[in-house]
Amino acid sequence: AQTVTQSQPEMSVQEAETVTLSCTYDTSENNYYLFWYKQPPSRQMILVIRQEAYKQQNATENRFSVNFQKAAKSFSLKISDSQLGDTAMYFCAFTRSNFGNEKLTFGTGTRLTIIP
Amino acid sequence: EPEVTQTPSHQVTQMGQEVILRCVPISNHLYFYWYRQILGQKVEFLVSFYNNEISEKSEIFDDQFSVERPDGSNFTLKIRSTKLEDSAMYFCTTVGGVNTEAFFGQGTRLTVV
Repeated sequence: AQTVTQSQPEMSVQEAETVTLSCTYDTSENNYYLFWYKQPPSRQMILVIRQEAYKQQNATENRFSVNFQKAAKSFSLKISDSQLGDTAMYFCAFTRSNFGNEKLTFGTGTRLTIIP
Repeated sequence: EPEVTQTPSHQVTQMGQEVILRCVPISNHLYFYWYRQILGQKVEFLVSFYNNEISEKSEIFDDQFSVERPDGSNFTLKIRSTKLEDSAMYFCTTVGGVNTEAFFGQGTRLTVV
């Protein structure tokens, strides 16, 4: 079974600074997909970024980027130039398949607070 | 942008009552899921549904739970006899197929009193 671990229950950072959220996972699969989801106080789940394990290049989406270390089974999220709107819970998630037919396995989340 | 619609947004029910949570998936999506998030905890998989039958279910999804897609559009989660511990946020997600992301509905907050 796959497991996802987020070891930072809470983090805070000053506005405009950079913050990195950690995620590790365990799987015996060689190909899989990793995600970071943002959950603001509204509790809507918003996809931030995704990474395919077969791609060596780290994914980036504007101010969000990942550091994917396949051998170490590590998938951290870096938020640059943090903004007040980045305050939210962030969940790391894993799925085995890109066909849509596999469930997501989530970590326990990191509560990120951006301080004005 | 296409979206998954869940109703109601919030439901309060007495312990032992039946509840039905509804989800309208994105048109032409094939795979449907229900997840649960107890307040302050992680999101947990409940059940997946494809081709009008359950593909996979978790240990949480016991005989008190059922899913169906009766009219080819709405995807429902029924809890027959609610317990206090069923209080949670319930998310419906749908996936279109290869190389598409999972679209989350806005969630239904269920409170069992």
